[in-house]
Amino acid sequence: QQPVQSPQAVILREGEDAVINCSSSKALYSVHWYRQKHGEAPVFLMILLKGGEQKGHEKISASFNEKKQQSSLYLTASQLSYSGTYFCGTSGSGNTGKLIFGQGTTLQVKP
Amino acid sequence: GAVVSQHPSRVICKSGTSVKIECRSLDFQATTMFWYRQFPKQSLMLMATSNEGSKATYEQGVEKDKFLINHASLTLSTLTVTSAHPEDSSFYICSARMTQAGNTIYFGEGSWLTVV
Repeated sequence: QQPVQSPQAVILREGEDAVINCSSSKALYSVHWYRQKHGEAPVFLMILLKGGEQKGHEKISASFNEKKQQSSLYLTASQLSYSGTYFCGTSGSGNTGKLIFGQGTTLQVKP
Repeated sequence: GAVVSQHPSRVICKSGTSVKIECRSLDFQATTMFWYRQFPKQSLMLMATSNEGSKATYEQGVEKDKFLINHASLTLSTLTVTSAHPEDSSFYICSARMTQAGNTIYFGEGSWLTVV
């Protein structure tokens, strides 16, 4: 079952914040976040494991609520380089490496 | 630097021919690798799980006789698109789990296949 991401697209000005959500109808073991630029491979951002953890990476952080089967990616003080399509990949049982991806959220940061 | 490498990055082949794409894990062993396909402006769709030393596991709707997967060593998986048709044109990308890096899953650079 493919996780659902929201919003589908967002346009920001440099310095603004954004939140991207990822919801699943199935129990989750882990959530993986990637950013993909047009014509390129996805780039790993972070992984969140069962246990409701929260992680941060510079101005990008994420949370994982396993009870709600949801994860959110927080982008603060966005930069032009943040533009791209963000995908969440979910793993249902154990961290086998097999990920099912959401449909993606396109983020455009304007000067 | 890259931890998973794919080759070729771009390939054009004639309809009816076969094309092979390689996926290598660099400096780590991957008993399992994964193959995805991505059409323009769409998400990554899992095609199959490549298992070292055994048969690949295909997702529902993926033709195993058309997309041959071989995982002959702990660092190499190959995807062969047989009897390619224009509708097989897509971005093919592999991934591998790096247990030494907290089970982070890394993707290769991807391979653009165009069938003419």
